[in-house]
Amino acid sequence: DIQMTQSPSSLSASLGDRVTITCQASQDIYTNLNWYQQKPGKAPKLLIYDASNLETGVPSRFSGSGSGTEFTFTISSLQPEDIATYYCQQYDSLPPRYTFGQGTKLEIK
Amino acid sequence: QVPLQESGPGLVKPSQTLSLTCTVSGGSISSGAYFWSWIRHHPGKGLEWIGNIYDSGSTYYNPSLKSRVTISIDTSKNQFSLKMTSVTAADTAVYYCARGDFGEGYFDYWGQGTLVTVSS
Repeated sequence: DIQMTQSPSSLSASLGDRVTITCQASQDIYTNLNWYQQKPGKAPKLLIYDASNLETGVPSRFSGSGSGTEFTFTISSLQPEDIATYYCQQYDSLPPRYTFGQGTKLEIK
Repeated sequence: QVPLQESGPGLVKPSQTLSLTCTVSGGSISSGAYFWSWIRHHPGKGLEWIGNIYDSGSTYYNPSLKSRVTISIDTSKNQFSLKMTSVTAADTAVYYCARGDFGEGYFDYWGQGTLVTVSS
């Protein structure tokens, strides 16, 4: 099974800061990597799919990059409403398998 | 928008069967371009994919749960369901139903989630 290592597990940043989260796959997953935001008591929300594609309606300060085994999620300028936990998620198609990273809890400094 | 809503008991006794249903609104569950999933979130831990079902009735399960899980679909009611047998306290979690995309493997619509506690 493919393992996903997400780091850091928690992050404290100031408003306006550039924030970066990384996700490493245990083997090549091409660009089969998605990113979600989850706020307390809410369901996860899809932000980025296929490593770098912004979901419709998601602010452009969110971005993703990477391929193979190394992936990066970036918030270009941290806003108060961005306080949440962020997860990466990889998928295999044959057979279908989905694995989430352990999450990064983002807080305001 | 494709609202999804989970329903089912919030408390299940150890060794019994957990049963949840997800009702899909705003579109047919038989669209063909999507699949339907169950995902859970253990308290203080990460997200765990449980399994998928397709409108054809085909299913795929997380290997770690496969022996205890059955997902079924009722296209006439626009619903799909989860059954998990022989539950233990380790199955206490918030359970989400979600819609998945065939091509990109993402989950774009989620239910609000329902907390299921396994306790006597």
